[in-house]
Amino acid sequence: QKEVEQNSGPLSVPEGAIASLNCTYSDRVSQSFFWYRQYSGKSPELIMSIYSNGDKEDGRFTAQLNKASQYVSLLIRDSQPSDSATYLCAVRTGNQFYFGTGTSLTVIP
Amino acid sequence: DVKVTQSSRYLVKRTGEKVFLECVQDMDHENMFWYRQDPGLGLRLIYFSYDVKMKEKGDIPEGYSVSREKKERFSLILESASTNQTSMYLCASNPPYRGLQTQYFGPGTRLLVL
Repeated sequence: QKEVEQNSGPLSVPEGAIASLNCTYSDRVSQSFFWYRQYSGKSPELIMSIYSNGDKEDGRFTAQLNKASQYVSLLIRDSQPSDSATYLCAVRTGNQFYFGTGTSLTVIP
Repeated sequence: DVKVTQSSRYLVKRTGEKVFLECVQDMDHENMFWYRQDPGLGLRLIYFSYDVKMKEKGDIPEGYSVSREKKERFSLILESASTNQTSMYLCASNPPYRGLQTQYFGPGTRLLVL
């Protein structure tokens, strides 16, 4: 069983819409959760981190964590064409990081 | 700002060559990692290190070795490059677990083995 699972997509949304990305993880003792954005040919860059149950907002991004359901999500409001990328969900357990395979998002102008 | 640098952005090597990929971080991080990333397979951990001269195998260590002689530098070595090692190689670093620290990536090395 994979440690971190994401829907690979592709996910397409029109410009200005809300994009919703989901991730589930298998290890109940996981402590920290991260969303990275990766443009084609580039390395992942961190966009959100969350450690406690509930929502965390940063600009147009909202991360949601539900530890009981082992579920993490990322909402992107007012999606822009520049948001088109692959989004990686990552889970930290101790000193180990586990990554999903990523969800490809395309924002259509 | 954390900076992780990798010695090359693009590299072309021939089958059987010994290949060295270097990674340097400037934030005094104890933990360093090497991943490869392939379409549809995501990030796969090759080796990691929690301290100088310390190394641990990740999920796919076969055909690779590593060296960590200094805290800031973590090298990945392909002993005899093969075509199935054509990939994007990503180095990352982070401090030990303190609850709030993420992993920082270098720009990546795209390796083509002919």
